[in-house]
Amino acid sequence: GAVVSQHPSWVICKSGTSVKIECRSLDFQATTMFWYRQFPKQSLMLMATSNEGSKATYEQGVEKDKFLINHASLTLSTLTVTSAHPEDSSFYICSARVYLGGSSGNTIYFGEGSWLTVV
Amino acid sequence: DAKTTQPPSMDCAEGRAANLPCNHSTISGNEYVYWYRQIHSQGPQYIIHGLKNNETNEMASLIITEDRKSSTLILPHATLRDTAVYYCIVRFGSSNTGKLIFGQGTTLQVKP
Repeated sequence: GAVVSQHPSWVICKSGTSVKIECRSLDFQATTMFWYRQFPKQSLMLMATSNEGSKATYEQGVEKDKFLINHASLTLSTLTVTSAHPEDSSFYICSARVYLGGSSGNTIYFGEGSWLTVV
Repeated sequence: DAKTTQPPSMDCAEGRAANLPCNHSTISGNEYVYWYRQIHSQGPQYIIHGLKNNETNEMASLIITEDRKSSTLILPHATLRDTAVYYCIVRFGSSNTGKLIFGQGTTLQVKP
């Protein structure tokens, strides 16, 4: 399947600082990427849809000024958590849509995830 | 996107087939059924998807009922490494805006 890579895998930052997480599609071009967060023992929650060359679309309740998303190229989307606080500590996961062709439509592949701990 | 209903947990003996059910009674005609799994502390892994025909790949088989209101994911010979949370999701597979909305999934425990 298509490969989606995230970096860093884990990061610790001080409260009040900003941290950037990268999501790359390694063997395909992704016009659309998605960002999720997941708290322990909970399911994935969609945060936003990232479209190459345009502004991201945020889900209801997600602060766009706090979670900055940039999708400047067809293989890279970034999520920046600004002025991070301990409650932002979570598992952040990106995904990218791949067009499969024919009647298979398209599907979505996920990165390995990034653990953020804010101290 | 239509909602799905899955049992919260299931057990399966190692080497036996694991049959994971999913109800999606409000699915529309152009929505696909997708299955993903998430092993602890990793990103979800794509397993399989289908529209109305049964599908099989190297990981699993997907059986969709004729009325498309339910489906079953089959892992033919479960191993301990198949222990994970399995998510059944319906989405517009041919749409450029189709999102994956995760429910609570089924926690599959494969036992020796």
